[in-house]
Amino acid sequence: KQEVTQIPAALSVPEGENLVLNCSFTDSAIYNLQWFRQDPGKGLTSLLLIQSSQREQTSGRLNASLDKSSGRSTLYIAASQPGDSATYLCAVMGSGGSNYKLTFGKGTLLTVNP
Amino acid sequence: ETGVTQSPTHLIKTRGQQVTLRCSSQSGHNTVSWYQQALGQGPQFIFQYYREEENGRGNFPPRFSGLQFPNYSSELNVNALELDDSALYLCASSPQPTVRNYGYTFGSGTRLTVV
Repeated sequence: KQEVTQIPAALSVPEGENLVLNCSFTDSAIYNLQWFRQDPGKGLTSLLLIQSSQREQTSGRLNASLDKSSGRSTLYIAASQPGDSATYLCAVMGSGGSNYKLTFGKGTLLTVNP
Repeated sequence: ETGVTQSPTHLIKTRGQQVTLRCSSQSGHNTVSWYQQALGQGPQFIFQYYREEENGRGNFPPRFSGLQFPNYSSELNVNALELDDSALYLCASSPQPTVRNYGYTFGSGTRLTVV
């Protein structure tokens, strides 16, 4: 059974700081890993998707890496801003079945202080 | 193109009642998945519909059921509501068979409160 863990559960940083969020998963049989952002009480916004054959993806100030063999991914946020405050979720799409379901971590609650 | 839309946004029901949640998939997406997110938790997979048939189910009891219509929109039905069903229900759509390459697009969710 796939399990996804995110560390830390919460993080508070001053504006302008670079930061790293961590995600680990137990089963390396995945198609892809996706990072999402969730504002309080809202839905999920996809940030980055990394295919299992890729090592990293970049979008603006965000960079996500994937090490499938060790079951780890990191989301790097450069020059953080108060508007980055949200919960960040990572999810893996398992390749063991046919329904392409996502398994999520519990998320990291990020607060960027002005 | 329009994204994934869900209705209603909020709902309050009494224990034992039945509820129907609705989802319109993003244009061109033929697969719809439903997830339950309890407070402080990550979303949990409920089930997925492709070509109007359920093609995968998570660890949820039969009182959670669904439908997909020819236009790919979907409904989630929950019977005999329990207090623990209080959660944010998220709908996600994807364009099979390329979901492995493009992932899922999520809606804004329906907040269900059971009292």
